[in-house]
Amino acid sequence: NAGVTQTPKFQVLKTGQSMTLQCAQDMNHEYMSWYRQDPGMGLRLIHYSVGAGITDQGEVPNGYNVSRSTTEDFPLRLLSAAPSQTSVYFCASSPGYPPLHFGNGTRLTVT
Amino acid sequence: ELKVEQNPLFLSMQEGKNYTIYCNYSTTSDRLYWYRQDPGKSLESLFVLLSNGAVKQEGRLMASLDTKARLSTLHITAAVHDLSATYFCAVFDYGGSQGNLIFGKGTKLSVKP
Repeated sequence: NAGVTQTPKFQVLKTGQSMTLQCAQDMNHEYMSWYRQDPGMGLRLIHYSVGAGITDQGEVPNGYNVSRSTTEDFPLRLLSAAPSQTSVYFCASSPGYPPLHFGNGTRLTVT
Repeated sequence: ELKVEQNPLFLSMQEGKNYTIYCNYSTTSDRLYWYRQDPGKSLESLFVLLSNGAVKQEGRLMASLDTKARLSTLHITAAVHDLSATYFCAVFDYGGSQGNLIFGKGTKLSVKP
């Protein structure tokens, strides 16, 4: 099993650009979530989903959108990138709560 | 607002020694989780503690939860180099967004020969 797959691994954006971070899991997990990790900090929840068609905001949702059209995929969209969104982004999934399986992360730099 | 504080943030220990990492949190919760992160890698779930007095052990690591004191400990016994990593505790925030874990800043552990 691939587990939780995130793409891309690295990305550089210019301020104002938009992009989508991809997250896919092959474990048929209902719960998926996106976190960001900043230097010297723990993870902070951006958005989460408890099943296909259901999403909700976490602690730091501003500037990000998500959708969950299938159980497998949970993409994170940056609408208009800002330097403050420079971070490492982790997607996680689990059968229920808490998040147990994390992807390898996407390192995003916004210049 | 739930706050989670880990101590220490950096820990350098010798192989074979014992030590404890502390995780304090500010408001009532009975769900606490420990994760491990190797440099440049993702997070690995270590322990899930779901009630007062819960104790879990895996190898040289043992985690416990005291919900009355709002305190969890991660005890390391006879440390070995392979335990070098950053350890995070995370607490479920009943007062926040559904599904929100509040993470501590992490304890960077370095085990030296």
